[in-house]
Amino acid sequence: DTGVSQNPRHKITKRGQNVTFRCDPISEHNRLYWYRQTLGQGPEFLTYFQNEAQLEKSRLLSDRFSAERPKGSFSTLEIQRTEQGDSAMYLCASSFGAGQTYGYTFGSGTRLTVV
Amino acid sequence: KQEVTQIPAALSVPEGENLVLNCSFTDSAIYNLQWFRQDPGKGLTSLLLIQSSQREQTSGRLNASLDKSSGRSTLYIAASQPGDSATYLCAVRRDNDMRFGAGTRLTVKP
Repeated sequence: DTGVSQNPRHKITKRGQNVTFRCDPISEHNRLYWYRQTLGQGPEFLTYFQNEAQLEKSRLLSDRFSAERPKGSFSTLEIQRTEQGDSAMYLCASSFGAGQTYGYTFGSGTRLTVV
Repeated sequence: KQEVTQIPAALSVPEGENLVLNCSFTDSAIYNLQWFRQDPGKGLTSLLLIQSSQREQTSGRLNASLDKSSGRSTLYIAASQPGDSATYLCAVRRDNDMRFGAGTRLTVKP
């Protein structure tokens, strides 16, 4: 297993367009997290899945954002009607779910630029 | 609400120097603390994971300590190298909530 994979690495889109990002977690990990990071800041939590169930969503996740994890494997994050304020790095992480002692493994991120 | 602060925000040192990065958090009820490295425009690479019951962890030239009662962690880098230049982030975890500091941007000059 090569770790957490995110695609695309970069995405430039026009304001108002929809975009979708994909995350493939480490196969043994049943938990998957999405974070957003803006320049000069630490990552901020967006949402998390345990298997296919979306168990928690941040207030940062407006109704233009939707995330899915069909069959508890890969996950997608869709942003509808993008705005310039959505420009950020979108990071995905995965971890084991058994117990709270495990750390997170992050992917390389998808950098979104809305023009 | 958990707040994580990292000081300093930026640090520049000559090659070979030993250095300490600081992380403080407001809620000591954490499961673990993780230090990450982030290169410009890249994702996060995990450096060290300290469980709440542990006091420190070591990996090569890196040593991280945790004082949960005072809400502090330090990352010690020995004999710094230009390749250590990056942003270092600490994150504390409780339940399914991992909170990050804003990071310390480290520059090691040859």
